[in-house]
Amino acid sequence: QQQVKQSPQSLIVQKGGISIINCAYENTAFDYFPWYQQFPGKGPALLIAIRPDVSEKKEGRFTISFNKSAKQFSLHIMDSQPGDSATYFCAAKRRTSGSRLTFGEGTQLTVNP
Amino acid sequence: DVKVTQSSRYLVKRTGEKVFLECVQDMDHENMFWYRQDPGLGLRLIYFSYDVKMKEKGDIPEGYSVSREKKERFSLILESASTNQTSMYLCASRTVSLLSGNTIYFGEGSWLTVV
Repeated sequence: QQQVKQSPQSLIVQKGGISIINCAYENTAFDYFPWYQQFPGKGPALLIAIRPDVSEKKEGRFTISFNKSAKQFSLHIMDSQPGDSATYFCAAKRRTSGSRLTFGEGTQLTVNP
Repeated sequence: DVKVTQSSRYLVKRTGEKVFLECVQDMDHENMFWYRQDPGLGLRLIYFSYDVKMKEKGDIPEGYSVSREKKERFSLILESASTNQTSMYLCASRTVSLLSGNTIYFGEGSWLTVV
């Protein structure tokens, strides 16, 4: 049972376009929502994260939008570049779960030149 | 930089073999994890360890065990490998220091094929 649902499974975007990946969760006890980026042959690495007390967080071209009432959060990549081509995972952590993260299914992003 | 090293990147094992996947981190992190990554399923937690000799089952522990005798090393053991354990295995670590936030650092993965 997937507690964090991620869509789409794959995404193709032209260079300079906006990439949008969505995640939805059910458990209201989640209090930390990171996004991880994984390049082929590498392990995932933290990209950006948000807590539910804010609705948006921006770091460079990457923005997380968070909708607490809808229990959804999304990653927006502005001015997408071929170097952004990777697999992206959303995740969530419960307040009482210590370090445990629950991951979404992943989105394979391809940015065409 | 945090370094999480998985010594075996690619393994091919036979059904029924006992398999050891080793992971070492160099940042004195208290917490260590083993995840399994499969297409369309994301990352699923197998086991994690709060500290030396402490372990807790994750979401899919069946068929696996772990060992953490030293703080820097966390081993995943497949007691009797089966073909449905063919997957990529990711080790990760995290410090409990509040200053470091919740960042989990991953190794580069171990690709296991069971034939």
